[in-house]
This record gives sequence, structure tokens and C-alpha cells, in this order.
Amino acid sequence: NAGVTQTPKFQVLKTGQSMTLQCAQDMNHNSMYWYRQDPGMGLRLIYYSASEGTTDKGEVPNGYNVSRLNKREFSLRLESAAPSQTSVYFCASSSGGSGTGELFFGEGSRLTVL
Amino acid sequence: GESVGLHLPTLSVQEGDNSIINCAYSNSASDYFIWYKQESGKGPQFIIDIRSNMDKRQGQRVTVLLNKTVKHLSLQIAATQPGDSAVYFCAENGGYDNRDDKIIFGKGTRLHILP
Repeated sequence: NAGVTQTPKFQVLKTGQSMTLQCAQDMNHNSMYWYRQDPGMGLRLIYYSASEGTTDKGEVPNGYNVSRLNKREFSLRLESAAPSQTSVYFCASSSGGSGTGELFFGEGSRLTVL
Repeated sequence: GESVGLHLPTLSVQEGDNSIINCAYSNSASDYFIWYKQESGKGPQFIIDIRSNMDKRQGQRVTVLLNKTVKHLSLQIAATQPGDSAVYFCAENGGYDNRDDKIIFGKGTRLHILP
């Protein structure tokens, strides 16, 4: 039972390069999320998708784009990476609906932008 | 601004004692609150949740208390064990646009267990 799978686990980029973080869940969940975690800052919501075909901005969406490709997959794209985007990125999913807060998280993707 | 914050960044507790981790939230429209535990190098894990129509909920060795009057949430861990060492986050749903699926996290409290 894989749960939430993120790829890649580690990535180093140069400023201005682009990349896509992939996320897939096998729990038939409706809602999916991308968070970033910086030291001492907790988790900040970048984008989320309450259902297939919908995406919404979170707290810190600037510099990112997302695609809910299908019910299973939710990708996060950095079009032109900046050093400020150096962080650990977590994808999560939940069954969704009214206030269902049990998110299941992936193991994280550590991104360094030089 | 939109925030779910914590009173203390680090809490040290003697093994076997009870731990109390506090959280303040600012959005009075939030109606659902969650506690997560994050161990080093891992993603957060759900511990317990509570709806705004309740003021207390108990799980296995954990209790969450909600005081809506002062917008305060706490997590109590009974008989703290070495395995409880982690960072604990409170989270709320809704944010300022009151979207149920929008889960916002606080900054976290590191719980350190003393032998």
C-alpha cells in the first residue's frame, strides 16, 4: 500500500530553471495538497485541489503552478526557480468533504535552488 | 493576517509526565481543528481532531481541548514517552474564505523528552 508517492525526493536546480514535482495517491482521495516547509516556518499551503478538475490557491502560490491531472495525480511546477523556493515540499491527500482534516502525507521532496 | 500560531516553539518534558502543547488561532470562522505530529525526516501524521461544537475530545493518551472564547487549542499527551519526541502542529480548516478543504498549519512546537 503505497499511500502518497512524491518524486523526486531530492533535486538541485540553478536559478531560472524549471521543474515539476510529481505526486500520486492510491487511496481514491478527492482532495490533494502541496505544502512547503521551511525551517521554523511550519507548513505553508501552496495550492490545493478539492476534487478532480479544480485547483485553488493557498497561502503562498506565487511562483508555482499546479495541475490535477486526474484523481490520482497532482503536480507542482516551478517555471523559473528562485533561491527563495529552496524548501522541502510535501504532497498530501485526504478523502475531502466537510472538514475532513486527516491528511496523508508523502515523504517530501527536498529542493535546493542555487 | 491569516494565521494559526503557537505559544512556545520548544517544550521539554520529563519522561512519564504529561505534556501540554498550546495553539492560538485567529480565524473565528474556522470550525474544525486538527493536531499533527511530525518526526524528523518524515511527513506529518494525523493525531486527533475536534469540531467547533465540541470543547474536548479524547484519544489514546491524547486529549484536545478547544476554547472558542479565546480562540485557543491545546493538545495534552499523558505519560509522555520517548517516542513522543517530535514537532507538533495544530491546523485549521477554512482559512479566511472558510473553505472546508483548505487546511492551514501553524508553525509547530518541538517536544523534547527528558530521560
